[in-house]
Amino acid sequence: KAGVTQTPRYLIKTRGQQVTLSCSPISGHRSVSWYQQTPGQGLQFLFEYFSETQRNKGNFPGRFSGRQFSNSRSEMNVSTLELGDSALYLCASSFTQGLTEAFFGQGTRLTVV
Amino acid sequence: LAKTTQPISMDSYEGQEVNITCSHNNIATNDYITWYQQFPSQGPRFIIQGYKTKVTNEVASLFIPADRKSSTLSLPRVSLSDTAVYYCLVGSNDYKLSFGAGTTVTVRA
Repeated sequence: KAGVTQTPRYLIKTRGQQVTLSCSPISGHRSVSWYQQTPGQGLQFLFEYFSETQRNKGNFPGRFSGRQFSNSRSEMNVSTLELGDSALYLCASSFTQGLTEAFFGQGTRLTVV
Repeated sequence: LAKTTQPISMDSYEGQEVNITCSHNNIATNDYITWYQQFPSQGPRFIIQGYKTKVTNEVASLFIPADRKSSTLSLPRVSLSDTAVYYCLVGSNDYKLSFGAGTTVTVRA
């Protein structure tokens, strides 16, 4: 079966702009969680959506937001981009909440200039 | 959140066993321990998960002592393709998560 698909794979944006990243989970998976990965801070949890509702949230500013659609696809939005937002953004999907048997996508590499 | 600490890097040779220890002194009662493998330009891949004692699957073993303040991932008979970054994660299903900084394992011929 198809894995977790993230689009786009690479993105370059300018400070102050906003960006939307997309994540298509494995068919049948209802939980989608998002992560930021940087060399300095490592992997950090952003938020998790289950059945179209944000169920859990990490410690990130309100500029980071997301949503989930009825087909479980999820989008993440970052507004007013800062240089420090440059990172690999990963999403993971699973049938139930939690990271048990969760599968990660390849990520979107965002560069803010 | 538990603070999760693991070695920065480890070197090994093909056919050897690699053991990576993760320290998580403040682990909570409902936390479980998960290990992931990550290759460049890819997302993390699940290796193994456990709560206590020992867990074994077809690729690795996970040893967790009774106090659960540390855990050891054991990779038997590594090959060149096992060269990757390995992450220890301590967390619960309500996403109280603490990722380690990752251990770069380099396997040489």
